[in-house]
Amino acid sequence: DTAVSQTPKYLVTQMGNDKSIKCEQNLGHDTMYWYKQDSKKFLKIMFSYNNKELIINETVPNRFSPKSPDKAHLNLHINSLELGDSAVYFCASSQEGRAAEQYFGPGTRLTVT
Amino acid sequence: DAKTTQPNSMESNEEEPVHLPCNHSTISGTDYIHWYRQLPSQGPEYVIHGLTSNVNNRMASLAIAEDRKSSTLILHRATLRDAAVYYCILIRGAQKLVFGQGTRLTINP
Repeated sequence: DTAVSQTPKYLVTQMGNDKSIKCEQNLGHDTMYWYKQDSKKFLKIMFSYNNKELIINETVPNRFSPKSPDKAHLNLHINSLELGDSAVYFCASSQEGRAAEQYFGPGTRLTVT
Repeated sequence: DAKTTQPNSMESNEEEPVHLPCNHSTISGTDYIHWYRQLPSQGPEYVIHGLTSNVNNRMASLAIAEDRKSSTLILHRATLRDAAVYYCILIRGAQKLVFGQGTRLTINP
C-alpha cells in the first residue's frame, strides 16, 4: 500500500494551459508539502499545509495554487503554464514537529512545451 | 534558513563503511539535524535525525559533534543500493526541509 501517492506520474502539456497534480497520503499525517526539483536537481519547498491550513508559502508565483480538500489530500493547480515550470514535483507528508520525518511521493515529472 | 556544507561527491567500495560529513557551524540550540537521501529517479527518503546525542537506526548511524557544529552520517556496510545523493538538513522553526546540493555517493562493486 503506497504511503504517499501522486497522479499523474508524467504530465506533458503546452504553454498557457492549466493543469493539476494530485497527492494523497494514507499515513494519517496532519502536515503535507509540495516541493519542486528543477533541471539542476535543486529541491525547494513550495507550500506546506497543516490540517488543511496553509502554513508555508515560499514565494511561489500566484499561478500555483494548492488546495487541501481534507487532511489526506493536497492538490497542486497550476495556471498559465510556462516553460520554466518544467520540473519534477514531489508531494510529502509528516506528523507535526521538527523531529518528524517526511515521507515523499514518487514525483510528477511536468514538461511544458 | 540554517546553512549546511557537504562535499559534492564521495566514493566508496561495497561492503565497506562510509562516513559522510556535514558542517553546520551556525546551528542553534534547538535545530534538529536531519539526513535524507535521494536514489536515482525517486523521491527523497528519510534516513535519520538527531538533536544532541548520537543516534542509530536500521539504516545508519548519526554521530553529532559535542559542539554540534558538525555531524557525520555513517553507513556501516555500503551496498550498491546506497548509491544516492545524501542531504544534511537543519530544521529550525517552521517544519520545512531546506535542501542544499548534497553529497553524491558512488559505491564501487
